[in-house]
Amino acid sequence: AQSVTQLDSHVSVSEGTPVLLRCNYSSSYSPSLFWYVQHPNKGLQLLLKYTSAATLVKGINGFEAEFKKSETSFHLTKPSAHMSDAAEYFCVVTSSGGYQKVTFGIGTKLQVIP
Amino acid sequence: NAGVMQNPRHLVRRRGQEARLRCSPMKGHSHVYWYRQLPEEGLKFMVYLQKENIIDESGMPKERFSAEFPKEGPSILRIQQVVRGDSAAYFCASSPQQDSLYEQYFGPGTRLTVT
Repeated sequence: AQSVTQLDSHVSVSEGTPVLLRCNYSSSYSPSLFWYVQHPNKGLQLLLKYTSAATLVKGINGFEAEFKKSETSFHLTKPSAHMSDAAEYFCVVTSSGGYQKVTFGIGTKLQVIP
Repeated sequence: NAGVMQNPRHLVRRRGQEARLRCSPMKGHSHVYWYRQLPEEGLKFMVYLQKENIIDESGMPKERFSAEFPKEGPSILRIQQVVRGDSAAYFCASSPQQDSLYEQYFGPGTRLTVT
């Protein structure tokens, strides 16, 4: 069994300040973890992924995430928020127990205040 | 390399009609997933298909919903006798292999409105 918990449904930051979107997971198998972003009325775009290589993963648009096995966390961060970062972010876990079972978090809406 | 294509992008149906949603995976991808996103909710897995096979349909409602991925042509998600509660965004994703290392590539979605 696997699950994903995104701890905040809404996060609001000022432009130029750091972003932290939290994600905790549970998985019976070695997981792969992903962050996707969805802009309003758009499809999902992959930001970054962890697949058991380096624990600090760098993605597009200045985002990065750190896989912490002891804390079962995969929090998404960015040093300085930009207005264009306003979107919904989904943390995703997949595991290869049989086949690629995919579980999405409920999403975190990021608001960036000018 | 074109991305995952979905059509139509917007679909309006009256209650009781049928809705057909199409998904063309990325070139070289033989695995297709369908998800439903209700307002203010995350994506819910519906069904996972490979060419000519349904691998996992555990997320699909037992009645009125069906999916296929034929040898030739796009994957089809079919909803018969639609009801207002079917109004949602339906996303298709594809991946090249059955392996958790491979991320899924998402299409732009089909927004279904049932009136």
